[in-house]
Amino acid sequence: IAGITQAPTSQILAAGRRMTLRCTQDMRHNAMYWYRQDLGLGLRLIHYSNTAGTTGKGEVPDGYSVSRANTDDFPLTLASAVPSQTSVYFCASSDGLANTGELFFGEGSRLTVL
Amino acid sequence: GQNIDQPTEMTATEGAIVQINCTYQTSGFNGLFWYQQHAGEAPTFLSYNVLDGLEEKGRFSSFLSRSKGYSYLLLKELQMKDSASYLCAVMDSNYQLIWGAGTKLIIKP
Repeated sequence: IAGITQAPTSQILAAGRRMTLRCTQDMRHNAMYWYRQDLGLGLRLIHYSNTAGTTGKGEVPDGYSVSRANTDDFPLTLASAVPSQTSVYFCASSDGLANTGELFFGEGSRLTVL
Repeated sequence: GQNIDQPTEMTATEGAIVQINCTYQTSGFNGLFWYQQHAGEAPTFLSYNVLDGLEEKGRFSSFLSRSKGYSYLLLKELQMKDSASYLCAVMDSNYQLIWGAGTKLIIKP
């Protein structure tokens, strides 16, 4: 049982480059999320999707875009990376936060922008 | 604004009991969550409280007081593997999760 798979697990890239972080889930969850985690700060929501075909902005959406063409995949794109986007990125999914509150997280993608 | 406060770091001894506190100020309340995160790993779900009182699950218990905007996570019979960060999160009126910065728990033999 894979759950949520993120790729790559780690990446170093030059500022100004375009980067897509991939996220795939096999639990048929409707809702998916992208968070960034920085030292000393709580998880911050970048974008979310309540169901395939819809997306919404979270707390820190600037510089990021997402798409949700189907239930399983939820890629996050940095159009032109900047050093402040150096972070650990977590993709997550849920079967309805209002029901149990349980989020299932991927293992994270550590991104360094130089 | 919305705010979740929890201690940055705590230290406890193997076999002992530790209580990790979380206070919150949010726009509405639809539940409080505790997650465990080992270093370099993904957070994993521990508990969910939506009503006042204590929820017990094995060695871990979580308490909620909505009137006080307060919760705690109680860990009993501490084991070395409990060394991790513990994240408190509140679901606001828009069903969005607001996360605390986490409490790093260090267990000493």
